[in-house]
Amino acid sequence: AQTVTQSQPEMSVQEAETVTLSCTYDTSENNYYLFWYKQPPSRQMILVIRQEAYKQQNATENRFSVNFQKAAKSFSLKISDSQLGDTAMYFCAFPQGTNAGGTSYGKLTFGQGTILTVHP
Amino acid sequence: KAGVTQTPRYLIKTRGQQVTLSCSPISGHRSVSWYQQTPGQGLQFLFEYFSETQRNKGNFPGRFSGRQFSNSRSEMNVSTLELGDSALYLCASSLGFSMGTEAFFGQGTRLTVV
Repeated sequence: AQTVTQSQPEMSVQEAETVTLSCTYDTSENNYYLFWYKQPPSRQMILVIRQEAYKQQNATENRFSVNFQKAAKSFSLKISDSQLGDTAMYFCAFPQGTNAGGTSYGKLTFGQGTILTVHP
Repeated sequence: KAGVTQTPRYLIKTRGQQVTLSCSPISGHRSVSWYQQTPGQGLQFLFEYFSETQRNKGNFPGRFSGRQFSNSRSEMNVSTLELGDSALYLCASSLGFSMGTEAFFGQGTRLTVV
């Protein structure tokens, strides 16, 4: 079974600075995806960025980028030019496939989450 | 395009009662998954439904059940409520076909058991 670990329960950063959130995972799969989700105080979870394991290039979405180290099973999220609106809980997640009468990927295994606070 | 809608947003129930939570996925999404979020246990997977069939189930007691209708709307039911069932219950919908598919979450139902 896949496991996902986030070792930083809380982090804080000053506005405009850069912060990196850590995530490690364990899997026996060779091809897979990894996600970072953000849950702001309003509670609605939204996808920040995703990475396919087969792609060597690290994913980037505007101020958000990942450092994906497949051999080390590490998947960290870097937020550049932090903004007050980045304050949220961040979850690393691993989608798992199910082959029960067809393949679907509705199960996500989440890390414990990292609470990020951006200070003005 | 309407997002994932969960109703009700808040619920207060008494121990021993049962509760039904509802989730309307994004139009066209056939996969609906449910998660329980608590401060102590984090986000835990409850079950996934795809085209009205339960495809996957998490490690929860049989008091937790769910179903999906032909229009992809889903309900989850918790019977004989316990204090420990107090949590935020999140529903997510996706197309479900590929592992890179984004899951879209609702705002959740906050259940308090007293």
